[in-house]
Order: sequence, then structure tokens, then C-alpha cells
Amino acid sequence: AQSVTQLDSHVSVSEGTPVLLRCNYSSSYSPSLFWYVQHPNKGLQLLLKYTSAATLVKGINGFEAEFKKSETSFHLTKPSAHMSDAAEYFCVVSERDTGFQKLVFGTGTRLLVSP
Amino acid sequence: DAGVIQSPRHEVTEMGQEVTLRCKPISGHDYLFWYRQTMMRGLELLIYFNNNVPIDDSGMPEDRFSAKMPNASFSTLKIQPSEPRDSAVYFCASSFIGTSGDTDTQYFGPGTRLTVL
Repeated sequence: AQSVTQLDSHVSVSEGTPVLLRCNYSSSYSPSLFWYVQHPNKGLQLLLKYTSAATLVKGINGFEAEFKKSETSFHLTKPSAHMSDAAEYFCVVSERDTGFQKLVFGTGTRLLVSP
Repeated sequence: DAGVIQSPRHEVTEMGQEVTLRCKPISGHDYLFWYRQTMMRGLELLIYFNNNVPIDDSGMPEDRFSAKMPNASFSTLKIQPSEPRDSAVYFCASSFIGTSGDTDTQYFGPGTRLTVL
């Protein structure tokens, strides 16, 4: 079975500084990997998706993630944090289940951004 | 597109009462999913449908939970009778098979926050 591990439950940064949210995955074959963001009292929004094309994936709001097979990692980064980036971020891997690709969610990382 | 629509956004009920949560998927999507999110267990897939047919309900916690999809634009998740431990945020999501057969990008609704007293 596939799984993801988000290494930090909370990350705190100052506005204007870089953001790094770490994610490691376990997969027996080439996975699809995602980052979703959840703002307070909102649903989950897709930030970006990796599907075996380019290893550096660009998403919305200036976020990007790099797929590193040798490290089984898919870390999310942003060069400069904004106050509006404060939210919960989920790393997700898809797992094929009789033709359907089921999403397996990490436990989430809460990003706190201070002025 | 309006995205996935869920109602109500908040529901407060008393133990033993029936609760019905509603979802309208994105038009043209042929997969629909119900998830539950709690602090203790994170996001859990409860059930999913393909072309209105339930495919896998192994995540449904017990017989008190049931889900239906009478047509391509509407689904319900019902809890009867409700218990305090059912308190959670329930999300509906939808997806579709594109030309590549890719079904794994899911689009989530805003969720229904259920509180059972």
C-alpha cells in the first residue's frame, strides 16, 4: 500500500521568508503526487500535481514542488511567504485500486505566517 | 463552473436524530466521493460512486451510515441515528476520466461541519 509522511505538523515562518513543507512517500510504482491546501473552514484546494512528466511542478500562488525519486520526497516550496498562505497543507499520493486511483492523504502540516 | 456544492454548511443536531448531508458534483464528473475529517483520524474516504453506482463503501464506519446517488447531479449521505462521535467535517469531492484515463484529480466541496450533541 502507498503512503505519505509529512514530517512536520507545524511550520512557522515570517512573511517574506521562504517556505518549505516536507513530504516523503512510499510507493511500489510510479505514483501521482499532489499537494492540497485547506484554509480555515474551507474545502481542500488543489495546489499542484505530479504525474511523471517534469520533476519540478509549478502550482498556484507561487508554490512549487520537486519530485525526487532517489529520496522518495515531494517537498513543497515557495520563495516568499504571504500572510494569506497560512493554512493546512496536505501531501497526497494516489493508489491504484482495481482501475480507480484512490487518494491517500498525509496528516497535514499547518503553516503559520507571522508579520 | 460553481464547483462542488454541499449543503448545509453547518448542522447541529441531537443524538439519535437523523442527519442528511447533500452534495452536487461538478457537471460532467462521473466519480463522486464522500470523506470525513476529524482531528484524530484526519481525512478518511467513506464511499465513492462511479456513474451513480456505489463502488466501494468499505470506509463507511457502520450501518448507521448510508449514501445514495439517485442521479449524476446529486448525492446524499445519511446518518441514522446520529451519535456524538459522528461530529466531524464531511467533504464531498468529484472527478472525471479525462482523455488519458486519469481519475485521480479530485475537486472538493466546502464541507459540512456536523455537530451531534
